[in-house]
Amino acid sequence: GAGVSQTPSNKVTEKGKYVELRCDPISGHTALYWYRQSLGQGPEFLIYFQGTGAADDSGLPNDRFFAVRPEGSVSTLKIQRTERGDSAVYLCASSLGSQGSPLHFGNGTRLTVT
Amino acid sequence: GDSVTQMEGPVTLSEEAFLTINCTYTATGYPSLFWYVQYPGEGLQLLLKATKADDKGSNKGFEATYRKETTSFHLEKGSVQVSDSAVYFCALLTSGTYKYIFGTGTRLKVLA
Repeated sequence: GAGVSQTPSNKVTEKGKYVELRCDPISGHTALYWYRQSLGQGPEFLIYFQGTGAADDSGLPNDRFFAVRPEGSVSTLKIQRTERGDSAVYLCASSLGSQGSPLHFGNGTRLTVT
Repeated sequence: GDSVTQMEGPVTLSEEAFLTINCTYTATGYPSLFWYVQYPGEGLQLLLKATKADDKGSNKGFEATYRKETTSFHLEKGSVQVSDSAVYFCALLTSGTYKYIFGTGTRLKVLA
């Protein structure tokens, strides 16, 4: 079946611009996660949705980062006034939502801020 | 806070060699422990897991045992193949939460 889909796969933007990254989870998965992975590092937690609501957004680095999941399926990660330090691979994962359910990851969006 | 520490890579082995990738953790309560693998060009995928002390997770010839006394979850395989070349991530999930915490990853390269 279809896995987690992330678009675009690559995004290059100029410092100060606004970007949106999209995640389409596996159908029926109620939980959705955003992680950020910098070069040579492991995935760093950003935010977790259960259904439409953000159950834990403690990993968002500052108020330039925001994520939504209005219908409990597709999610968009929004970054305002991008900075060079935002350059990373942004990973989305979904799961069935029960505690300990395995995460299914997309291939990520590589964001480069010039 | 909770954290995972993995041995640094890259690890380079010949085919059929024995593999160990070390992972230790710091956590409050009793976490579940996981190994995820990322093959070239693919997303991370679950390799194995263990949810309580002394449990052994296994899959595709890989094994890891949850050792509470040493707070470790080392990944082992008796005979690696070229197709095992990938990046391996150790992760934990603290009981009662949904936030997975990952290690920095260990790159494995297996030579024919």
